[in-house]
Amino acid sequence: DVKVTQSSRYLVKRTGEKVFLECVQDMDHENMFWYRQDPGLGLRLIYFSYDVKMKEKGDIPEGYSVSREKKERFSLILESASTNQTSMYLCASSSLTGWAEQFFGPGTRLTVL
Amino acid sequence: GQQVMQIPQYQHVQEGEDFTTYCNSSTTLSNIQWYKQRPGGHPVFLIQLVKSGEVKKQKRLTFQFGEAKKNSSLHITATQTTDVGTYFCAGRTGTASKLTFGTGTRLQVTL
Repeated sequence: DVKVTQSSRYLVKRTGEKVFLECVQDMDHENMFWYRQDPGLGLRLIYFSYDVKMKEKGDIPEGYSVSREKKERFSLILESASTNQTSMYLCASSSLTGWAEQFFGPGTRLTVL
Repeated sequence: GQQVMQIPQYQHVQEGEDFTTYCNSSTTLSNIQWYKQRPGGHPVFLIQLVKSGEVKKQKRLTFQFGEAKKNSSLHITATQTTDVGTYFCAGRTGTASKLTFGTGTRLQVTL
């Protein structure tokens, strides 16, 4: 079974803090993705990576950065957390083929106070 | 940029009734995928449609891809309480690896 794990299920941070969300997959997938999920807005892509040290901006990259130093690990960084970044963050991975399904982690619910 | 809208946003049905969610893209898609997210869970892949006009069935679920490859639908016959969740379509353009997810339809089924 493909397994995508995320470092925390729940996280509470204060405005201005630097926040790291970690994601690890065990299926040797080339592609990894970070989404945020908000009611009524669906899943919106923040960043994705198709290889180690490679990254591409998604639809809402402002306020976020990412790091992919190893193939299995993809980190999302909030440089200075703000209250409007309170959300559910979902990590996903897929193989390189354009037809591949995405496998999601359990999500991290981040609250920024 | 590409936008994918779904309607309705929410539907509440009695068990045994049918349910349909519709997905519309602002651009032509190369393929479309459907995912289901149970309450408190994460999205799980259901199916992928690739060809214009394609219809696929999974037991009580019927998926269609429009002739122009800009819309899709998911129809559930005789809903059950196990169908509760949010259904997302997700479209891909060209050979890109990234998906654009729809806004989702939340289905509530009561006895």
